Order: sequence, then C-alpha cells, then structure tokens
Amino acid sequence: AQSVTQLGSHVSVSEGALVLLRCNYSSSVPPYLFWYVQYPNQGLQLLLKYTTGATLVKGINGFEAEFKKSETSFHLTKPSAHMSDAAEYFCAVRKGGATNKLIFGTGTLLAVQP
Amino acid sequence: NAGVTQTPKFQVLKTGQSMTLQCAQDMNHEYMSWYRQDPGMGLRLIHYSVGAGITDQGEVPNGYNVSRSTTEDFPLRLLSAAPSQTSVYFCASNRDSSSYEQYFGPGTRLTVT
Repeated sequence: AQSVTQLGSHVSVSEGALVLLRCNYSSSVPPYLFWYVQYPNQGLQLLLKYTTGATLVKGINGFEAEFKKSETSFHLTKPSAHMSDAAEYFCAVRKGGATNKLIFGTGTLLAVQP
Repeated sequence: NAGVTQTPKFQVLKTGQSMTLQCAQDMNHEYMSWYRQDPGMGLRLIHYSVGAGITDQGEVPNGYNVSRSTTEDFPLRLLSAAPSQTSVYFCASNRDSSSYEQYFGPGTRLTVT
C-alpha cells in the first residue's frame, strides 16, 4: 500500500533562511511523487512532481525536491525563504492500480519570520 | 479558462439538512474528485469519477452522494448533514488516466451545527 509521511506539522524559518520540508513515502509501485502548496483560503496548486528521469526536480517559486530511492524520501527545499512562501505544503504519492488517485500527507505549515 | 470552480464558498447547515456542493471544470478533463480537508488529516478522498456516468467511492464516502451526468459537472450531495461533516471540501480534476497532476478548486467551507 502507498503512504506518505510528512515530518513536522509546523516549520518556522527566518526570511532568507533555507527551507527544508520533509517527506517520506512508502510505495509498492514505482513512485510518482508530488508537492502541492496551499495558500490561505485557497485550493492546492502543484509545486513540482517526480515521475521518471532526473531525480532532482525543479518547481515554481524557486522550490526543488530530490527523489532518493534508497532513503524513500522526497524532501522539498528552497535556498532562501521569502515571506510569500508562508503556506501549507502537502506531499503526495500516486496510489497505483487502474486509477490515478493520489495519497496525500497531512501537510506542513510553513511560517516565515521577518 | 476558469479552471475548476466551486459554489458556494461558505455554507452553514443544521443537522439533518441536505445540500449540494457544486463543482465544474472547463478543461475537458475526464477525471474529477472530491476531497475533504480536516486539520491534521490532510486531504481525504470522498468520491471520484473517471468519466461521465462513472463514479466510485474513495476513502470516506459515507454520508455523501455523487453523480456525473456531464464531463463538466460533478456535484457532491450531503444527504443528511451531521456535525462530523464540518470541513473544507475541495473538488479537483485531472486530464485522464495518464495524468496525475490535479487541478483544485478554491474550496467550500461547510459548517454543520
């Protein structure tokens, strides 16, 4: 069965500091992995995704994530946090099988301090 | 394109009332889904559809009903609202079976008293 674990429900960083949001997955099929961002009072939007190929994937707003099969991880990073990055971030993995459903993690709320 | 639209944005119901949350997409996507979002629980799939006339249950289908008569619309019906259904509801769509990228609507915040 597929599952996603996000370590840390709340993360706080200073503006300009490194952002690191952790995601570990479990999957019985080749994993397709996603990071979504949710700004306050909005729906989710895709930040980046890994399906096949290059293990370092770049997304919007300067975010990137690296797929590490040996560690079953897909951590999200950004070198320098901006106030506008304050949001909730969700990691997701495809469920597999005949459908294309996603299994979402419980989310990490990122706060950026001035 | 408007993308995925949801109405209403906010709703308050009394226990036992019924209502329909509307969802529409103008991207000609085959797949549509309904999720609920609760604090500390992420998003949980309620029902989904892989095309007009085809629906199936997700993780938490009890108390909800769906139908898909057109490609564009995927309404979610609450049959008899309960306080446990207080949540934020998101509709999402994706293009087809080869696409895992989901496009989300802005959500409906539902309170059941």
